[in-house]
Amino acid sequence: EVQLVESGGGLVQPGGSRRLSCATAGFTIRNYWMFWVRQAPGKGLEWVANINEDGSDINYVDSVKGRFTISRDIAKNSLYLQMNSLRTEDTAVYYCGRESTSSEGGHWGQGTLVTVSS
Amino acid sequence: EIVMTQSPGTLFLSPGERATLSCRASQSLSTNYLAWHQHKPGQAPRLLIFGISTRATGVPDRFSGGGSGTDFTLTISRLEPEDFAVYYCQQLERAPDTFGQGTKVEIK
Repeated sequence: EVQLVESGGGLVQPGGSRRLSCATAGFTIRNYWMFWVRQAPGKGLEWVANINEDGSDINYVDSVKGRFTISRDIAKNSLYLQMNSLRTEDTAVYYCGRESTSSEGGHWGQGTLVTVSS
Repeated sequence: EIVMTQSPGTLFLSPGERATLSCRASQSLSTNYLAWHQHKPGQAPRLLIFGISTRATGVPDRFSGGGSGTDFTLTISRLEPEDFAVYYCQQLERAPDTFGQGTKVEIK
């Protein structure tokens, strides 16, 4: 069974940093594109970043470029999102996920809440 | 950036009725990298459809996706009580992999 479990959320001050983790099971992350998506309070889903199978192709939404870094640990089968220079507008539930392939559907984690506030 | 626009914003329907949700891309998608997700409050989003029309594992066949180019639809043939939720389309052809703003299906 495919599972994704996020952790690392919490309260952080503006300008601070936070590292989110996404532990996975039931598949090998080196075989899939992986992503982070967020949902701010009262808003819709916003795609944040993704990384390809071998880590050679990484993309970010403009609003987090230069501040957030997506990475993976193949040995731990885990995905990460390092968030620096956090702003109040980064407050959201952050979801990790596995993208669909041509023949397999994707999967979402349950999400972790990050609150940026003084 | 490819902008995804969904309509209507809210759909008021009764159980048993048919729901048709629309999604328009600002640029024509040359691949089939179009997905639909269902999201209920307090829950993880759920992938319903990928590749424009392929149902994800476990998704009932009352859900169907279609379209091409810039215009895509999600149809729920007969609404069940558990289908009242927010639905998002998403293009994965070109980063950033943008979502539409969502269509909320509410009970009339």
